[in-house]
Formats: sequence, structure tokens, C-alpha cells
Amino acid sequence: GQQLNQSPQSMFIQEGEDVSMNCTSSSIFNTWLWYKQEPGEGPVLLIALYKAGELTSNGRLTAQFGITRKDSFLNISASIPSDVGIYFCAGIPGGTSYGKLTFGQGTILTVHP
Amino acid sequence: NAGVMQNPRHLVRRRGQEARLRCSPMKGHSHVYWYRQLPEEGLKFMVYLQKENIIDESGMPKERFSAEFPKEGPSILRIQQVVRGDSAAYFCASSPQDGTPACCYTFGSGTRLTVV
Repeated sequence: GQQLNQSPQSMFIQEGEDVSMNCTSSSIFNTWLWYKQEPGEGPVLLIALYKAGELTSNGRLTAQFGITRKDSFLNISASIPSDVGIYFCAGIPGGTSYGKLTFGQGTILTVHP
Repeated sequence: NAGVMQNPRHLVRRRGQEARLRCSPMKGHSHVYWYRQLPEEGLKFMVYLQKENIIDESGMPKERFSAEFPKEGPSILRIQQVVRGDSAAYFCASSPQDGTPACCYTFGSGTRLTVV
């Protein structure tokens, strides 16, 4: 089945730094999503991308849907302590009309004040 | 508006017992998805249900696992004769209809199953 390779696995940064993480796949996805998960909670959607090449922002977050439809990145600018959590990319494979998501392995973000 | 409600939040079972996990979708949502998250991994799709129908169960283990979404009441994920490897967080998500954009797809807080 489809797999998403997410990197890096973890990041330790200072408050105020920018962060970048990405996901790649060997197969095409129609939709790319970025989620944040905090301890003991379910994933919360940050950004949804629906078209190849699309660049979307949500506050300090920016994400792009790769032209090849096989990759996506998420940037967080000027990080703050509350950005701490696990960030997941997820995609809906080509040919799927419903929300059957494939998730990456996650990036654990730690922000030092 | 209540979100997706899952209960219990935590469930401990001995090996060989049955586990029943419940998911009440958001009001007006008739589509439910179950995902499993092993420690330090991403979520993995298990099953997609509409009211009284299983649409896609391609992620369900072949044995011991079953899911239902009856006309009345919550969706149930049932694991019979649990083993230690079933220990995981199980998440439910709901959406209002087929073809709903992913932006409108809401996850619950999960049930953390521990098998001892």
C-alpha cells in the first residue's frame, strides 16, 4: 500500500527559530493534509492542500502541495513554546473519494524557551 | 456542538478478554472512520462505515476485529481475545457525507487500550 516518509523524526529548536518538515511518497496523492497531535488527544487539522503546486498559509504555518503530487512540506515560522507537539502529514490517495487517510510517521517538535 | 465523542478514554484488558470501543460521531454526521496508532507511529486506517454499512474494511485485521455502526447508537469497534500487540490508541473520525473535503473531517480524542 501507499506509504508516506516523513522527516525529520524529531527536532529540538529554540523559541523564535523557523522549522521545516516534509513528506514524500512513491505514489500520487490527491490531497495533502498536515495535522498536529498533542499528548492524549486526537490529531487536529492545521492545513489542507487540494491542488498540485498549491501554497497555503495559516498564521505562522505555510504548507505546499508538491508539483509531482508525491510530496509536501510544512514550515513554521518564529516558533513559540506552544508549537510543541507531534506533526503528521497525511494524504488521500489518488482514486479515493472518501477520507481514507495515509499518515506519515510524525515529526516530534520540541521548542526551548 | 459536541465533537466526536469516544469512550472510554482509557481501557485496560487482560489477554483473552474482549474490548469494546465506542464512537459517537458529531451531530449530523453519518460516516465514521476508525484508525489505530501504535506508540511512536502515525495513525493507520482500519475501517470506514456508514449507518448500517461497512464501506471499506481493508485496514482491519482478518481475525478478532469487527466494527459496526447501527442505525441508532454509537459506532463500536470490537476486539475479541485481545493480545498485547493490540495495545494502542484507537481514534474515530466522522464526516457528514461521502466526498466531504478532508477539512471537515473531525477526530475524537481516542481510546487508549492497554492489554496486560
